[in-house]
Order: sequence, then C-alpha cells, then structure tokens
Amino acid sequence: EPEVTQTPSHQVTQMGQEVILRCVPISNHLYFYWYRQILGQKVEFLVSFYNNEISEKSEIFDDQFSVERPDGSNFTLKIRSTKLEDSAMYFCASSPLDRGRTGELFFGEGSRLTVL
Amino acid sequence: AQKITQTQPGMFVQEKEAVTLDCTYDTSDPSYGLFWYKQPSSGEMIFLIYQGSYDQQNATEGRYSLNFQKARKSANLVISASQLGDSAMYFCAMREVGTASKLTFGTGTRLQVTL
Repeated sequence: EPEVTQTPSHQVTQMGQEVILRCVPISNHLYFYWYRQILGQKVEFLVSFYNNEISEKSEIFDDQFSVERPDGSNFTLKIRSTKLEDSAMYFCASSPLDRGRTGELFFGEGSRLTVL
Repeated sequence: AQKITQTQPGMFVQEKEAVTLDCTYDTSDPSYGLFWYKQPSSGEMIFLIYQGSYDQQNATEGRYSLNFQKARKSANLVISASQLGDSAMYFCAMREVGTASKLTFGTGTRLQVTL
C-alpha cells in the first residue's frame, strides 16, 4: 500500500541552525500538510499546501517556517533559525482531492527534531 | 475554546474486554467529519475510523465503532475485544467544511491493555 515517507527520522540541531524536513507524499494525492507534536502534547496543524501554494496556515507557522514542493514529488518544511521550542515530532500528511467525503489524511511516520 | 475535548488522559482495559474512549466536539458548521487516529509508541499516526456529520448510521471498522451522538456533540470510539496491541495513544480529530481537510486534534487518551 502506498505510504507517506519522511526523512530524516530524527535530527539533532543547534539553536539558530536551519533545518529541512523532507516528505514524499502519496503520488496521486493533491493536498499536503505539516503537523507537529511537542512531546506529550496534542498534534497541531502547521500548514496545508495545494496547487503549489499554501492554502492555510496556523499561528505557529510564522516567518521562520516555509514549505515548498521543489520537484513534484518531495514536500519540504524548512525552519530557518531553530529555537528550543521547535523541538517536536513533525508529521507530514497527504490527502487525495476527494476520498469520498472522508478527507482522510495519510500520515508519515514523523521526523523527530531536537534543538539543543 | 477547545474544538475537540478528550477528557480521559489514560484508560486501562483488560484483554478481550470492550472499552469506550470519549470525545466531544464543538462546531457551528452543519457539515463536518470526525476521525480517530491511533498512535503507538513508535510514533506514527494510524487512521482508524471516520464519521460524517450527515451519516445516518454509526461508523464501524472491524473491532472499532464510533458512537456518534450528534445532539450531544460526542463521537466516542468503542474498541471491542481489546488486544495487547491496542495499547497506544488515541486521538479524536475533526475536519470542518472549507478547511481543506485540515484536522483539529484532541489531547489524546492513552489506552493500556492489560492481561
């Protein structure tokens, strides 16, 4: 069964460094998302992406964050200058344009970011 | 205000027993979808079950069923015949119309299945 894949599975970085998290969504999906989960807390929406542009973003998704789909298969999340509070599990997800009424999101296994 | 509320931070259930995980939600949209995801200790998010706001019948997927009470705005997950592998975090989530399938998650319930 097709799946969303994410790399790296774990990244450790120094505060202030740039980080790029990569995702390969399911190939025929058209909506892409990043969510994050701070340890022990709930999963929070960051951004959704459709038709090569951001369709919605949360308050968390400030100027330090950016997303792009550089080559039609990868979907990346960049954090320009990491802060300690960016330490979290970052989940990529994708969704087909219309899975009936379900709108089910297919999640990757996550990338754990640790900022020191 | 919380859009999704899960009031049970942790639950225990004996193997082979049924367990209900509570979820209440808040929305003014007439059209919405409710989801349950399972997150085992390995961290991935696994889709379990979906209920649409206009669905007449409660959703079922194998051992999972969703007890949907629209007037009470509740969407409880029922797991029948619990197995040790059901031990995990369970998240309730909601998608509202016009949000491009963006999901809002609750805080989760940690289920522990015991022998």
